[in-house]
Amino acid sequence: EIVLTQSPGTLSLSPGERATLSCRASQSVSSIYLVWYQQKPGQAPRLLIYGASSRATGIADRFSGSGSGTDFTLTISRLEPEDFAVYYCQQYDSSPWTFGQGTKVEIK
Amino acid sequence: EVQLVESGGGLVQPGGSLRLSCAASGFSFSSYSMNWVRWAPGKGLEWLSYISTSSRTIYYADSVKGRFTISRHNAKNSLYLQINSLRDEDTAVYYCGRENYVAFGMDAWGQGTTVTVSS
Repeated sequence: EIVLTQSPGTLSLSPGERATLSCRASQSVSSIYLVWYQQKPGQAPRLLIYGASSRATGIADRFSGSGSGTDFTLTISRLEPEDFAVYYCQQYDSSPWTFGQGTKVEIK
Repeated sequence: EVQLVESGGGLVQPGGSLRLSCAASGFSFSSYSMNWVRWAPGKGLEWLSYISTSSRTIYYADSVKGRFTISRHNAKNSLYLQINSLRDEDTAVYYCGRENYVAFGMDAWGQGTTVTVSS
């Protein structure tokens, strides 16, 4: 099973700041199989990024994804108030498909 | 409008069973692979199971293999998850998620149904 480790666990930032979230895989993951989601309290997750770097439909261009192999990054260039949430990476490279444990982006 | 609506959750005793349903509308259900995912406080998201359009390909997480069974009925636009031998750690919100048609990733989700396992 591929284990995804996200860091940091919590990121405390102010609106307008840049957020950099990390997702590290226990073994190499093909970029096409790495996705990112956003989840707000009481809501279902929302697909942000697929294929490691492609934005899903309707996702603002302040969200960007990068990386390859075992190291992937989600960057939010300038945090808006609605961006404070929990972010998860997920891999589809091999079954069982797994999520990271999440990074909470909170208001400082 | 794409809609996924889960139902069937509730309070159940350890060892009990439930059948969760996911009703799809607003898209061609038979053309999309589907997943079940759960979320528990303090545990985050956990992918549970995947089923292809024709039900020919099915995957399960190790934690639920042998206890959970995914199925679908394309003519009824419905996805199901049969959950047996429930344990305390199965307490969670259960979501169905539609697999993106052109790439990997779940691009539509239901609002979730809550399963509580307690005596």
